[in-house]
Parts: sequence; C-alpha cells; structure tokens
Amino acid sequence: GDSVTQMEGPVTLSEEAFLTINCTYTATGYPSLFWYVQYPGEGLQLLLKATKADDKGSNKGFEATYRKETTSFHLEKGSVQVSDSAVYFCALRGNDMRFGAGTRLTVKP
Amino acid sequence: GAVVSQHPSRVICKSGTSVKIECRSLDFQATTMFWYRQFPKKSLMLMATSNEGSKATYEQGVEKDKFLINHASLTLSTLTVTSAHPEDSSFYICSANLAGVYEQYFGPGTRLTVT
Repeated sequence: GDSVTQMEGPVTLSEEAFLTINCTYTATGYPSLFWYVQYPGEGLQLLLKATKADDKGSNKGFEATYRKETTSFHLEKGSVQVSDSAVYFCALRGNDMRFGAGTRLTVKP
Repeated sequence: GAVVSQHPSRVICKSGTSVKIECRSLDFQATTMFWYRQFPKKSLMLMATSNEGSKATYEQGVEKDKFLINHASLTLSTLTVTSAHPEDSSFYICSANLAGVYEQYFGPGTRLTVT
C-alpha cells in the first residue's frame, strides 16, 4: 500500500539556519503530496501541496518540489524563525490519506 | 478557507463511560469526513471514513462497536468512544473533504483522557 517515510526528529536549529526535512513516498498511481504543520495543542494545518510531478509548493518561506524520479517531497526553508517550531508531517493522497511519522522542529533564538 | 471545528477540545472521563466527539464543517458541506487518532509523538492513524447517510468504513484493527461513528448530516459527524478505557486516551482529529477539492481540512483535535 501507499506509504510515507520522513526524516526522524527531533531537529533543533538556531534562528536563521537552513532547514531540510526529507520525505519519500511509495505509491501506486500519481498521488498528491502535502506538508502539514501542527503547533502545540492544535490540529494540523496545511502548509503546502503539489499535485503533479515537478510542481513546487510554497508557503510562508517553505518550499517542496514533487520529484517523481526520486519519489521525494523534501521540505526546505532558507531561514527559520522561532515561530516555525512545530511538528511537520509529510502526507500523500492516493486512494486515501497517508501520513509520515512527523518531524519535530525546535528553533532556538 | 474551509473551517472544521471539533467539540469538545478536551474531555476527561471515567473508565467505563462513553464520550461523544463532534466534528462540524462550518462553511461547507462535507460528504466525507475522516477520523484519526494521534498517539504521543506519533503520526496520525486513520480510524475510519465517515460517509453521510451510510455506514462508516473502518480501518483494519479498529473496533467499530467501540468507536461508533455517525454522519447524520452534510456538516456533522460524531465519534462516540464507548466503554472507554485508559488506553483510549489519545488525541482524536477529524477532517473533511470539500467536494471536488483534493485536500482535507482538519479540525483542531480533541484530547481525551480516560481516568
């Protein structure tokens, strides 16, 4: 079945550092790919998405490119802020929704 | 954008009692809603897919008699945890699909603690 594998955390960075959270997937067909963010005590919020190969999703300085050849959708941000501290989930939508295990990011001032 | 609410946000109940959690789509009609369970520091586990006017579809390993799902209208789905036990303590999250849109919109979650 479809699955998502993402980089294990936790990840701790200093403010203004570069962020990469790796995500790879296995799926039959052509799924849509998502990154969700979960702040403490809250539900998931959609951060960005890509619906087909080579699409780049972007939002709030975060980017991810749908790479079919490497079955990846890595999340990147050039300069993180303390307010980016949260748990990030990679997900795919094929026949149903599948989530990665989540990566906790802590950004220190 | 599409908004999904859940009620209550937190609930504490005693072992053996039942708890109902509501999931509402506030500004759109959702023919399909999903219920997830999230364990501490873990990902979301899909429990069931709730279809308006029909029986829910449960994922393998999820007891349908314990987790009762009712999708009575296009804006409301409920999850009832029956005869709750401490191991049912978890964060329950619902999501809903906007018709014709691929992404799901998530509720803020309900933290259930069974004592």
